[in-house]
Amino acid sequence: EVQLVESGGGLVQPGGSLRLSCVASGFTFSDNVMDWVRQAPGKGLEWVGRNDGRVKGYTTKYAASVRGRFTISRDDSMNSLYLQMNSLTTEDTAVYYCVRSGEAANRNVRFDYWGQGSLVTVSS
Amino acid sequence: DIQMTQSPSAMSASVGDRVTITCRASQGISNYLIWFQQKPGKVPKRLIYAASSLQGGVPSRFSGSGSGTEFTLTISSLQPEDFATYYCLQHNSYPITFGQGTRLEIK
Repeated sequence: EVQLVESGGGLVQPGGSLRLSCVASGFTFSDNVMDWVRQAPGKGLEWVGRNDGRVKGYTTKYAASVRGRFTISRDDSMNSLYLQMNSLTTEDTAVYYCVRSGEAANRNVRFDYWGQGSLVTVSS
Repeated sequence: DIQMTQSPSAMSASVGDRVTITCRASQGISNYLIWFQQKPGKVPKRLIYAASSLQGGVPSRFSGSGSGTEFTLTISSLQPEDFATYYCLQHNSYPITFGQGTRLEIK
């Protein structure tokens, strides 16, 4: 059974930093593209960024709203994905979801499994 | 960036109704279009991928169609558990973008 479990959310002051973690199980993590998606309270879904995984050289892509402030990394030996968030603003307040997007060569499996989400609140 | 515009933004319907939600892309995205369902306080659930392929375990009353710039999600006969918010997503090019959502409410 595929499972994605996020942790690391909480309350942080504007300008602060936070690192989210996502531990994966039930599939070969290193072969998989992984995404982060967020949802501000009462708002829609927003793609944050992607790590393409081993086959594509762990390349990363980001939404313009977070580029230069957020970094996505992974540790395949720990089946873990990370989201390092710096220079946080109140606009970053959201539930952050870790999402599996399948093997790099198969675009039909994008966004197929989601974690339960981790709430990040940026407030003074 | 590719803009994804859903219509309507909200709608009300009755159990048994046939419902269609539209998603328009600002430029062609081939069939790299996914539909999600999200219920309040829950995680989004993938319903349709590749514009028209039904996710395993999803009831057959859900269907998707379209290619290029215009896509539809159809629910052939609404059930009580279908009242939710629906989102489309394009993953043809970066940045990946979602539609703004369609809230489907009980009439």
